Amino acid sequence: AQSVTQLGSHVSVSEGALVLLRCNYSSSVPPYLFWYVQYPNQGLQLLLKYTSAATLVKGINGFEAEFKKSETSFHLTKPSAHMSDAAEYFCAVSLGYGGSQGNLIFGKGTKLSVKP
Amino acid sequence: DTGVSQNPRHKITKRGQNVTFRCDPISEHNRLYWYRQTLGQGPEFLTYFQNEAQLEKSRLLSDRFSAERPKGSFSTLEIQRTEQGDSAMYLCASSSLGEGRPWNTGELFFGEGSRLTVL
Repeated sequence: AQSVTQLGSHVSVSEGALVLLRCNYSSSVPPYLFWYVQYPNQGLQLLLKYTSAATLVKGINGFEAEFKKSETSFHLTKPSAHMSDAAEYFCAVSLGYGGSQGNLIFGKGTKLSVKP
Repeated sequence: DTGVSQNPRHKITKRGQNVTFRCDPISEHNRLYWYRQTLGQGPEFLTYFQNEAQLEKSRLLSDRFSAERPKGSFSTLEIQRTEQGDSAMYLCASSSLGEGRPWNTGELFFGEGSRLTVL
């Protein structure tokens, strides 16, 4: 069965520092992987997605993620944190073809704090 | 604003009462999803529709829960005989089926959610 594990429920970085949010997945079929962001009192927004094309995926707001099959990972990075990046980030896997086709499985989320 | 709209945004009810949430998806989207999110957890899938057909239901969706999408446009999620454990944020999302792909490409567009508090 597909699953997602996000390491660290809270991550705190200084403004201008590297952001690294970790996500490991488990999937019996080639996965589609996603990062969503949730700002306070707002709905989830898609940051970026991996759908079996390029392994390094660039998203909005300077974020990127690299799909590493050997490590079953899809970590999210940003070279320089900005105060506006403070939010909760969710990694998700799609069951895609070969399995249930309707939904995403989300991780528990990582809350990112950015210190001035 | 043509995003996903959910109503009401907040609902406080007493245990045993029935509640109904409404979701208006993005108009051209044929798929509509319901998720539940509790504190400290990611969204958990409840059910989804393709047009008016309910194609999948999670085991989380007990028989007290019912969802409908009668005309393939808006959807309602009803919870009967609410329990304190039903307290959560109920999220609605919509998407458009990708051309040539019968599966979910993951570009879900979420509403802001409906928060339920059961006293």
